[in-house]
Amino acid sequence: GQNIDQPTEMTATEGAIVQINCTYQTSGFNGLFWYQQHAGEAPTFLSYNVLDGLEEKGRFSSFLSRSKGYSYLLLKELQMKDSASYLCAVRDGDYKLSFGAGTTVTVRA
Amino acid sequence: GAGVSQSPSNKVTEKGKDVELRCDPISGHTALYWYRQSLGQGLEFLIYFQGNSAPDKSGLPSDRFSAERTGGSVSTLTIQRTQQEDSAVYLCASSRLTGNQETQYFGPGTRLLVL
Repeated sequence: GQNIDQPTEMTATEGAIVQINCTYQTSGFNGLFWYQQHAGEAPTFLSYNVLDGLEEKGRFSSFLSRSKGYSYLLLKELQMKDSASYLCAVRDGDYKLSFGAGTTVTVRA
Repeated sequence: GAGVSQSPSNKVTEKGKDVELRCDPISGHTALYWYRQSLGQGLEFLIYFQGNSAPDKSGLPSDRFSAERTGGSVSTLTIQRTQQEDSAVYLCASSRLTGNQETQYFGPGTRLLVL
């Protein structure tokens, strides 16, 4: 099975930067996903990393280190609308995705 | 439409009845996933389709759950003899793979309540 760990909650100020870490253990790593989910809504895809390094998409960036079993999602220039749950998911083998419990980010004015 | 659609959006049923949930993926997306999210819980992988075949059914919680996909497009998830613990939001996602990049898009989900 999978062991995916991410912090339960984080709080940051509008305009600041927040980094959400995700560590995982898997025997057949084949990609890591980050999703954003607002309460009562379906998740929204943010990023996909399968190679080591940083992927940047506007205010959001995602980093992967396969040797360390580690990823982070970086949210820059935080806005109030960024308050949501952020889910880390790991693909083991070809198909199956396992999700972490999610990190609830609260952005304060 | 441009996105993944699911129907019905909400379903209330009685314990013991069968339900069928439908997912229309984005046109051209060959991969299709079903997930379940119980209230306050994380996402639980159920099944994955590549085209019409389902190479990974390992997430289906019991033999009351089945899924099919025909024509490489629409998928249905069927739950037989529903139980109260089946109450959850059932989410479908489709994806495309471009080089090393995979982008997944979720539908709005079907909220199932078993009384």
